[in-house]
Amino acid sequence: SQQGEEDPQALSIQEGENATMNCSYKTSINNLQWYRQNSGRGLVHLILIRSNEREKHSGRLRVTLDTSKKSSSLLITASRAADTASYFCATVNTGGFKTIFGAGTRPFVKA
Amino acid sequence: SAVISQKPSRDICQRGTSLTIQCQVDSQVTMMFWYRQQPGQSLTLIATANQGSEATYESGFVIDKFPISRPNLTFSTLTVSNMSPEDSSIYLCSSKGTGTNTEAFFGQGTRLTVV
Repeated sequence: SQQGEEDPQALSIQEGENATMNCSYKTSINNLQWYRQNSGRGLVHLILIRSNEREKHSGRLRVTLDTSKKSSSLLITASRAADTASYFCATVNTGGFKTIFGAGTRPFVKA
Repeated sequence: SAVISQKPSRDICQRGTSLTIQCQVDSQVTMMFWYRQQPGQSLTLIATANQGSEATYESGFVIDKFPISRPNLTFSTLTVSNMSPEDSSIYLCSSKGTGTNTEAFFGQGTRLTVV
């Protein structure tokens, strides 16, 4: 990808379990964002975390950011079948304006 | 955030032809962005389009292959020229609000298949 990598790239989890996806990036950033994409359609913004923030919550989502390691994680608690989608992290570099995407993780939630 | 209407939603094209994709935003935006998403892959930024100036292309993308227009603050087009099967991808347009820490919003994408 243009910016970084995510792992795992594929993930199989049981409904009700927590799912964790990780993202690494290469440059200094203003913020990091997570997006969801269902079946190759348009992207839905989930959460934005600024470079001076370490953790952020939104509903069943929890995002952490470690700028010293240039990494972030997305935790989805109590996964549902409807959470099956592709998840991408994306960054805006310090002083920049372009949103650059990581490789993506594709969890599959089994009922 | 604003809403972007993108069309066509999908198309099947013959190799050697060109396709123009249109994006209409329901409010004025300064910058618009075009991305390509190859099958099973992430989004790759093609170019940034500002009104009144030539688009700025990312490494690996050139104006002759992907000419972009930005005639006003609510509209942009991307043309995929002289297509080959390798151009089969989803193409997405995007914009974002003003300010440093604002999220991007996207059109629904154009799924292009070149045969």
